[in-house]
Amino acid sequence: NAGVTQTPKFQVLKTGQSMTLQCAQDMNHNSMYWYRQDPGMGLRLIYYSASEGTTDKGEVPNGYNVSRLNKREFSLRLESAAPSQTSVYFCASSEGTRTEAFFGQGTRLTVV
Amino acid sequence: QKEVEQNSGPLSVPEGAIASLNCTYSDRGSQSFFWYRQYSGKSPELIMFIYSNGDKEDGRFTAQLNKASQYVSLLIRDSQPSDSATYLCAVKVWGKLIFGQGTELSVKP
Repeated sequence: NAGVTQTPKFQVLKTGQSMTLQCAQDMNHNSMYWYRQDPGMGLRLIYYSASEGTTDKGEVPNGYNVSRLNKREFSLRLESAAPSQTSVYFCASSEGTRTEAFFGQGTRLTVV
Repeated sequence: QKEVEQNSGPLSVPEGAIASLNCTYSDRGSQSFFWYRQYSGKSPELIMFIYSNGDKEDGRFTAQLNKASQYVSLLIRDSQPSDSATYLCAVKVWGKLIFGQGTELSVKP
């Protein structure tokens, strides 16, 4: 049972390049989330998807787009990477309102 | 103002002492409350969740929720050096799961 799987684990981009972070969960969860984590800032919500076919902005959506491809997969796209997007990105999933979220192992992204 | 606020610390306690971690939230529609622990370089892992006012105990951990004061806390009894980590408070509100900035706890032997 893999839980939440993120790819890649590490990535270096040049300013202006684009890339997509992939996330898949095998727990049949309805909700999925993307966060970024910077030193001293905790986890900040970028986008979330309460169910298949829906997505909503979180606290820091600017510069990102998401796709809930199906119930299992939720991808995060950076169209034109900026150094300010250097961060650790976490994907998470949860069953519903009253249940905890399970996290992937994270993607460490550096934009130079 | 952030929706979920924590003292960033660091909080330092001696081994065997009680560590007290606090969190406030702004949205009265918040439905469920979670405490996660995160070791350096690792993913957050759930310690406890609480939905109703009052206390909830699990081993050395006690979560306390006061919805009137919009306050949730975590007590760690008999703190151990292995408890040294960042503790993240999280609140589920209207489908979103929002985290505080985390409190760094250091337990000194």
